Amino acid sequence: QQQVKQSPQSLIVQKGGISIINCAYENTAFDYFPWYQQFPGKGPALLIAIRPDVSEKKEGRFTISFNKSAKQFSLHIMDSQPGDSATYFCAASGSRLTFGEGTQLTVNP
Amino acid sequence: DVKVTQSSRYLVKRTGEKVFLECVQDMDHENMFWYRQDPGLGLRLIYFSYDVKMKEKGDIPEGYSVSREKKERFSLILESASTNQTSMYLCASSLGGVDTEAFFGQGTRLTVV
Repeated sequence: QQQVKQSPQSLIVQKGGISIINCAYENTAFDYFPWYQQFPGKGPALLIAIRPDVSEKKEGRFTISFNKSAKQFSLHIMDSQPGDSATYFCAASGSRLTFGEGTQLTVNP
Repeated sequence: DVKVTQSSRYLVKRTGEKVFLECVQDMDHENMFWYRQDPGLGLRLIYFSYDVKMKEKGDIPEGYSVSREKKERFSLILESASTNQTSMYLCASSLGGVDTEAFFGQGTRLTVV
């Protein structure tokens, strides 16, 4: 049973475009929502995170939008670059981290 | 610099073998985790530990066990390896608390033949 659903599974974007990855969760006890970025051959690393008491968090080109009533959150990558090509995982945490299925992002030059 | 080290990058084992995957962290973190990563399924939690000698089952513990004799070391054990345990295994650690960053090792790609 996947408590965090992520889409799309793969995404191809042109350089300079906007990449959008969506996640939905079921458990209302979740109270911390991080995104992890994973490059080939490496373990995932924390990219950006949000608590449910705010609706948006921005760090550079990366923004999390959070909709508590809909139990959904999304990652927006503005001005996407080829170096952003990686696998992205959303996650939700109550007593432990639960991850989504992952999105493989390819940014074409 | 924060570091989680997994003992092997690649491992090939035979069906029925007992397999040990080792993980060491140098950050004095309370929490340690073992995940399994498969395409289209994301990272699934196998076991985790909040303290030395303590362990809790994650979402897919069947066929696995763990050991945490020292704070910095967390071992994953496949009692009798099977081909459906062929996967990428990731170890992680974090400080106590809900909203703390998890630091991952580079992963061990295990192939069971």
